[in-house]
Amino acid sequence: DAGVIQSPRHEVTEMGQEVTLRCKPISGHDYLFWYRQTMMRGLELLIYFNNNVPIDDSGMPEDRFSAKMPNASFSTLKIQPSEPRDSAVYFCASSFSDNEQFFGPGTRLTVL
Amino acid sequence: AQSVTQPDIHITVSEGASLELRCNYSYGATPYLFWYVQSPGQGLQLLLKYFSGDTLVQGIKGFEAEFKRSQSSFNLRKPSVHWSDAAEYFCAVDINNDMRFGAGTRLTVKP
Repeated sequence: DAGVIQSPRHEVTEMGQEVTLRCKPISGHDYLFWYRQTMMRGLELLIYFNNNVPIDDSGMPEDRFSAKMPNASFSTLKIQPSEPRDSAVYFCASSFSDNEQFFGPGTRLTVL
Repeated sequence: AQSVTQPDIHITVSEGASLELRCNYSYGATPYLFWYVQSPGQGLQLLLKYFSGDTLVQGIKGFEAEFKRSQSSFNLRKPSVHWSDAAEYFCAVDINNDMRFGAGTRLTVKP
């Protein structure tokens, strides 16, 4: 298996633009997680899905952030409109119910 | 409040020396415990995990960790550090899929 796949690896955009981050979990995994990593706040869980259903989105910072999982092999994290303080590395992770999460390589987002 | 604490922000050791990275957690119950390693520009790789049973856990790359319930600790150890171990190390706890990470410890290895 190729592991968790994230795209793009790097994204540079201007404030106010819409940003969409993509994630393909490991085949057969039933949990998918989105994290944000910054120097100031470290690693933060934003939202997670179980069997494509959002279970806990309490970590989503505000309404500008939304996440979807239309099927078991794809998820998106959208920021609209983006702001400079959203600049961070966003990680996607997946697991098969045993709590061992496998992380993707991350998307480094820069909002100018 | 529930938390994960890694007291050491940065540690420097000489190659071949032993290593111990500290992790303490504050939760009402015993959570699932993990150590992850992150190399620059990379994602997180799982080193080892503790769910239950033997409190001394062996992981990849020669790492081990010991769960001590009385101290609410899960310290990571390696008897002899290699230059390739230089990275950021994160302790994490998971309670009902709520994964919380420590702030991380950056390891520098001197030749």
